[in-house]
Amino acid sequence: DAGITQSPRHKVTETGTPVTLRCHQTENHRYMYWYRQDPGHGLRLIHYSYGVKDTDKGEVSDGYSVSRSKTEDFLLTLESATSSQTSVYFCATGAEYEQYFGPGTRLTVT
Amino acid sequence: RKEVEQDPGPFNVPEGATVAFNCTYSNSASQSFFWYRQDCRKEPKLLMSVYSSGNEDGRFTAQLNRASQYISLLIRDSKLSDSATYLCVALSAGNNRKLIWGLGTSLAVNP
Repeated sequence: DAGITQSPRHKVTETGTPVTLRCHQTENHRYMYWYRQDPGHGLRLIHYSYGVKDTDKGEVSDGYSVSRSKTEDFLLTLESATSSQTSVYFCATGAEYEQYFGPGTRLTVT
Repeated sequence: RKEVEQDPGPFNVPEGATVAFNCTYSNSASQSFFWYRQDCRKEPKLLMSVYSSGNEDGRFTAQLNRASQYISLLIRDSKLSDSATYLCVALSAGNNRKLIWGLGTSLAVNP
């Protein structure tokens, strides 16, 4: 498995506060992805990156921004958290088409 | 219609049984497919990649039928540890490397 870590693993925050989730990889993979997973929706792509400073939107990008200043780090920011953003967030990386996932961050917005 | 559709199950089978899941996809331009397994409250883990007609890895066999636009996963000699949700995934046509995820099929292997 790719060496992928996510932090924090669990977070409870209040509506309206900004939140940043971090994904760190040690595999030197070019591609990195942020997903959210919710019951009944499966995995949905939020944003992805195809290189340092190169990012693009996924299918559910509203309310989220990302940054990638180094190959190994991909940050996801919820600019002003809402209850609808309560979810499990997974980071994934890949060198080609296969994607390898981090352990996830369980985020609750109250 | 979802781009990747799976029977959600659950499939309940005894240990040692053979079980098969089917997955259909709507975009005939999709070229590559994957099966992931996901344990409860854990991350998805890549089980198998399917780039041509099929792939086999031990007790697991994946087959691709492009004419009918479906992928199957066969598990032989089921183990208790095979209990999980199996996610069917299609690579989006084009160069963006986006994956299209099914909602998963739940498998419970019983003693």
